[in-house]
Amino acid sequence: DTGVSQNPRHKITKRGQNVTFRCDPISEHNRLYWYRQTLGQGPEFLTYFQNEAQLEKSRLLSDRFSAERPKGSFSTLEIQRTEQGDSAMYLCASSFRNTGELFFGEGSRLTVL
Amino acid sequence: GESVGLHLPTLSVQEGDNSIINCAYSNSASDYFIWYKQESGKGPQFIIDIRSNMDKRQGQRVTVLLNKTVKHLSLQIAATQPGDSAVYFCAEILANAGGTSYGKLTFGQGTILTVHP
Repeated sequence: DTGVSQNPRHKITKRGQNVTFRCDPISEHNRLYWYRQTLGQGPEFLTYFQNEAQLEKSRLLSDRFSAERPKGSFSTLEIQRTEQGDSAMYLCASSFRNTGELFFGEGSRLTVL
Repeated sequence: GESVGLHLPTLSVQEGDNSIINCAYSNSASDYFIWYKQESGKGPQFIIDIRSNMDKRQGQRVTVLLNKTVKHLSLQIAATQPGDSAVYFCAEILANAGGTSYGKLTFGQGTILTVHP
């Protein structure tokens, strides 16, 4: 499979716990994005990497959120001290060119109890 | 803040009919628009894009129309098929902002398209 891969697909956690999601982009894509989507809404931009550099961060990305892409390949999104409001689908996307044509993974669904 | 929105939250059509999904945007400085399709349990899938220097663009069975005067965007799907059933999102980007990634998209709320056989 040469698409964007996200793990885990589902995560249920208790409030206050830390969670980490992983994204493996399409191999030749140097741009990687994280979005968050809640039920019935469109995805919301969180952050963007070009290679290993994190170039943009949304105000939605509070101090409890951190994203990394250490070698310019896979990326991780960590949420510390989860809150119920963090429950959402976390989508990763990648692209090769600077266009709006993003290739999304199937997402990691987080449920915070 | 400014946002992209949709006129109709749901659209139900018969197989073979043409579908039109509408989107209103409020940021007059936006100059690049994209349509995405999202099937249940999957991530969004790119359909077609259009830049503000165009008013129409065609793809395979799809056409996007842009009316900058009234800040309106539409997606037309010809000969709609059951496989077209999904949520459709329009998205915009302020592409003139220097250094901004074209992948930093602002999505609208979505329209649910249901195609009946």
